Amino acid sequence: AQSVTQLGSHVSVSEGALVLLRCNYSSSVPPYLFWYVQYPNQGLQLLLKYTSAATLVKGINGFEAEFKKSETSFHLTKPSAHMSDAAEYFCAVSVGTSYGKLTFGQGTILTVHP
Amino acid sequence: DAGVTQSPTHLIKTRGQQVTLRCSPISGHKSVSWYQQVLGQGPQFIFQYYEKEERGRGNFPDRFSARQFPNYSSELNVNALLLGDSALYLCASSSRDTNSYEQYFGPGTRLTVT
Repeated sequence: AQSVTQLGSHVSVSEGALVLLRCNYSSSVPPYLFWYVQYPNQGLQLLLKYTSAATLVKGINGFEAEFKKSETSFHLTKPSAHMSDAAEYFCAVSVGTSYGKLTFGQGTILTVHP
Repeated sequence: DAGVTQSPTHLIKTRGQQVTLRCSPISGHKSVSWYQQVLGQGPQFIFQYYEKEERGRGNFPDRFSARQFPNYSSELNVNALLLGDSALYLCASSSRDTNSYEQYFGPGTRLTVT
């Protein structure tokens, strides 16, 4: 079975600072990895995905993530935080044998200070 | 194009009652998955339906059931509601034909059980 661990339930940064949200996964088969963002009282919006092509994946709103198989990691970064980035972020994994099932991490709440 | 839609937006029920939640996928998507998100946690997979058949089930009791209709819309039913069923219920659709595995989420139905 696959699993996801997000390190740090809360991350706080200043506006303009680097954003780094950590995600480690466990999977016995090649995974598909995703980052989703959730704003208060809303559903989940897909930020980016890794599906075995390029290991550095660029997403919306200036976010990117790098798949590192040796470290079983898929950390999310953004060079310069904006106030509108404040939200909860979820890392998720899916595998080919379980199409339609995403396994999510516990989430990381990002706070951006002016 | 319209995204995934869910109804109702909010719902308040009493313990022991039954509830039906509805989901309409993105046009052309044949796969629908349901998730439960308890406050402060990541979404948990409940069911996946594809071409009107159940293709996956998470670790939820038999009080939870679902179905998919010929137009690919879906209903989630929960019987004998418990206080612990209070959560945001998310529906996601995907296009299995593209084999890309990403899922697109609706805004969710907030269920409160009193």
